[in-house]
Amino acid sequence: SSELTQDPAVSVALGQTVRITCQGDSLRSYYASWYQQKPGQAPVLVIYGKNNRPSGIPDRFSGSSSGNTASLTITGAQAEDEADYYCNSRDSSGNHHVFGTGTKVTVL
Amino acid sequence: EVQLVQSGAEVKKPGESLKISCKGSGYSFTSYWIGWVRQMPGKGLEWMGIIYPGDSDTRYSPSFQGQVTISADKSISTAYLQWSSLKASDTAMYYCARHLEGGYCSSTSCYYNWFDPWGQGTLVTVSS
Repeated sequence: SSELTQDPAVSVALGQTVRITCQGDSLRSYYASWYQQKPGQAPVLVIYGKNNRPSGIPDRFSGSSSGNTASLTITGAQAEDEADYYCNSRDSSGNHHVFGTGTKVTVL
Repeated sequence: EVQLVQSGAEVKKPGESLKISCKGSGYSFTSYWIGWVRQMPGKGLEWMGIIYPGDSDTRYSPSFQGQVTISADKSISTAYLQWSSLKASDTAMYYCARHLEGGYCSSTSCYYNWFDPWGQGTLVTVSS
């Protein structure tokens, strides 16, 4: 399968923790990367590899993986974390890449 | 600073051709794959394909194979996405992004894959 499935939307109270999941067969072979996209802006990489953050990404963002599921956790969510989040991985063939369906995170 | 700068917004009519560009700077352009991503209005990200400017090896998503052409001119560090005959359904924002990989690698791929940085996007509007 070349699909990565995410919950369409989640909400989190300010300062609380939220976990966003991404499911797909290819995640048994490849780690996911995660991207944050705010309205009108290009996506920005927030997590790659086992649990690596690019320079400038706050340490409240973390990643994990188990079986066919990858997760992005925001610990102590801030108002500026309100955005769409997408996972990405190679597909099961390894020849192509695929994005998850996306999760809209609302910070209450 | 590693940067990808895309060409400006385009307004075209159905049936017209178009080529948009993505210029890399601040790194060895021929050493990293460049991917293209479509985002239709109000929708999610879709991976279209990827090119290795060093030898122009290109892979297309099955969904986009035959619909677009990806190319690169390594002499000017620029990747391209082109259409021979646009349709209204091609109206979207198009992003380019540099692909990186790491971790354990087989002969064909690595465990870790990610796209960074991204271009600012090129809005393509196709309307009669």
